[in-house]
Amino acid sequence: DQQVKQNSPSLSVQEGRISILNCDYTNSMFDYFLWYKKYPAEGPTFLISISSIKDKNEDGRFTVFLNKSAKHLSLHIVPSQPGDSAVYFCAASPRGATNKLIFGTGTLLAVQP
Amino acid sequence: EPEVTQTPSHQVTQMGQEVILRCVPISNHLYFYWYRQILGQKVEFLVSFYNNEISEKSEIFDDQFSVERPDGSNFTLKIRSTKLEDSAMYFCASLLEAVDTQYFGPGTRLTVL
Repeated sequence: DQQVKQNSPSLSVQEGRISILNCDYTNSMFDYFLWYKKYPAEGPTFLISISSIKDKNEDGRFTVFLNKSAKHLSLHIVPSQPGDSAVYFCAASPRGATNKLIFGTGTLLAVQP
Repeated sequence: EPEVTQTPSHQVTQMGQEVILRCVPISNHLYFYWYRQILGQKVEFLVSFYNNEISEKSEIFDDQFSVERPDGSNFTLKIRSTKLEDSAMYFCASLLEAVDTQYFGPGTRLTVL
């Protein structure tokens, strides 16, 4: 089941620079997308979301971009901070009442001081 | 800030034994979920629960699994006869109908020996 893919298992960025995490999906029924951050031995922590009716959503240092025609979304973190180092999961939700989330495999972000 | 809580944080059991994982969702949330993450793999949807019944379940959620909301605050996942492959982190999540964001608990690490 590869409906949501994060092709970069890891990313290393210098503090203060931009981090760009990418996610691709295949199911056109997905209409809501979320990014979660996860530390080891903890649950996923919600970061930011976007509905398919938008192409951009911004919250502080975090911006999510959605390109529906390419079935691609990205998370930008500017400026990156060492505390941002974690695994970032992209998740998608198909239309319907259950709102189940389909997760990607995650990208490990390391922000170097 | 309200949060989802889960107990125990770590459960060790023998193969074939029954386990019950407990969750207390955020108090005004109406939708409840269980997910699991096998070590090194992606977070996978197990089941969604609304209005005291299962809304959707995945192929993983076979007859060995059951969920229950025994009172107004707890949400439980029972595995009747555990198998080695049930070893994973189990995450509970809850959602408020008006806001399409699932909030996750810290997880229960289940180890089946």
